[in-house]
Amino acid sequence: AQTVTQSQPEMSVQEAETVTLSCTYDTSESDYYLFWYKQPPSRQMILVIRQEAYKQQNATENRFSVNFQKAAKSFSLKISDSQLGDAAMYFCASLLRYGGSQGNLIFGKGTKLSVKP
Amino acid sequence: NAGVTQTPKFRILKIGQSMTLQCTQDMNHNYMYWYRQDPGMGLKLIYYSVGAGITDKGEVPNGYNVSRSTTEDFPLRLELAAPSQTSVYFCASLLGGLNEKLFFGSGTQLSVL
Repeated sequence: AQTVTQSQPEMSVQEAETVTLSCTYDTSESDYYLFWYKQPPSRQMILVIRQEAYKQQNATENRFSVNFQKAAKSFSLKISDSQLGDAAMYFCASLLRYGGSQGNLIFGKGTKLSVKP
Repeated sequence: NAGVTQTPKFRILKIGQSMTLQCTQDMNHNYMYWYRQDPGMGLKLIYYSVGAGITDKGEVPNGYNVSRSTTEDFPLRLELAAPSQTSVYFCASLLGGLNEKLFFGSGTQLSVL
């Protein structure tokens, strides 16, 4: 079975500081994608960053980067120079690309990030 | 505008009633999904489909049914609505293959009273 676990229900960061959100996952498949999504109060889901499991290099998108540890099945999100607009719920997600459960895309429970001015 | 369209945006049902949530995408995406999101919680996968005629159960399929007769449409059917099905429902789609960007609909707020 595929699982995604976010162990931090809430996190807080000072504006301009750096924060890391944790995510662990479990799957028996070897080919999958991992994502971080942001959900502001508007309820829209916004893609923050994605990582292909076959790539060793960690993905980066401007102030957002990941620490992908495949052997440990860990996929943390680092937000640098935090801004007030980063305040939101953040969800980690895993997508299976092949195998019997191809297309299965599940999310963690989320981490609520607050940014203090 | 291209994207995922969900209807209705809001609905109140009485216990035991049935309804269908509609989801349509015009991007020729292969993969489509239905999720529910309870207050303050994450998204739970109800059903998904990797193409027309193919559907699979997700994490919480009980009480729901889906069909995928065309690439564009992926309706979610609630039979015998129960208060436990009060939630926000999201439909989503992605192309598959090398393009894994997930598109979400705007959500349906459903209350079962």
